[in-house]
Amino acid sequence: LAKTTQPISMDSYEGQEVNITCSHNNIATNDYITWYQQFPSQGPRFIIQGYKTKVTNEVASLFIPADRKSSTLSLPRVSLSDTAVYYCLVGGGTSYDKVIFGPGTSLSVIP
Amino acid sequence: GAGVSQSPRYKVAKRGQDVALRCDPISGHVSLFWYQQALGQGPEFLTYFQNEAQLDKSGLPSDRFFAERPEGSVSTLKIQRTQQEDSAVYLCASSLDRVIYEQYFGPGTRLTVT
Repeated sequence: LAKTTQPISMDSYEGQEVNITCSHNNIATNDYITWYQQFPSQGPRFIIQGYKTKVTNEVASLFIPADRKSSTLSLPRVSLSDTAVYYCLVGGGTSYDKVIFGPGTSLSVIP
Repeated sequence: GAGVSQSPRYKVAKRGQDVALRCDPISGHVSLFWYQQALGQGPEFLTYFQNEAQLDKSGLPSDRFFAERPEGSVSTLKIQRTQQEDSAVYLCASSLDRVIYEQYFGPGTRLTVT
């Protein structure tokens, strides 16, 4: 049973803000929300992690509403180098939880 | 500092051959993971080590797949009698103790079985 649902693909023009939303209706109380980025021929790279409200780092922002049933990864002013697959994961609470990647969202940034 | 390294980066094997894939995690990282990634798919979990203990091997697709981490650092994924469906990228990742969702991935080994 999939733990998360996100769009398969998105297109955006350079310089725009991109928001990728992930649904996780069955998120557990102790689960964190984590996003990874993967470029072709590379392993995934950790981008950001949050539990509630908003988290921001030098790469992205993560918005989590109060019910935590969804989350939105926001990439400001994307460039061509942001073209990648983005994965949303939930889990990692107080006990071991097998990490499950879905198919991710393939973001294409257009010049 | 050094990240996760994997070797070889590319491996071509004839069907029926055995292969061994190596992973060098980040020094001090307790947890180590192996994933299999088919083209166009997300990584699929294979197995998880905490130090030298293999705590979860539920993702290994058959008994031809075997992983070890004897001294709690370097890990080897071995595939016996390779078959064409084993062709994929094999990714290794490591993380600090309980922070298993913040994983650091290696570049992967692309295995092609002919």
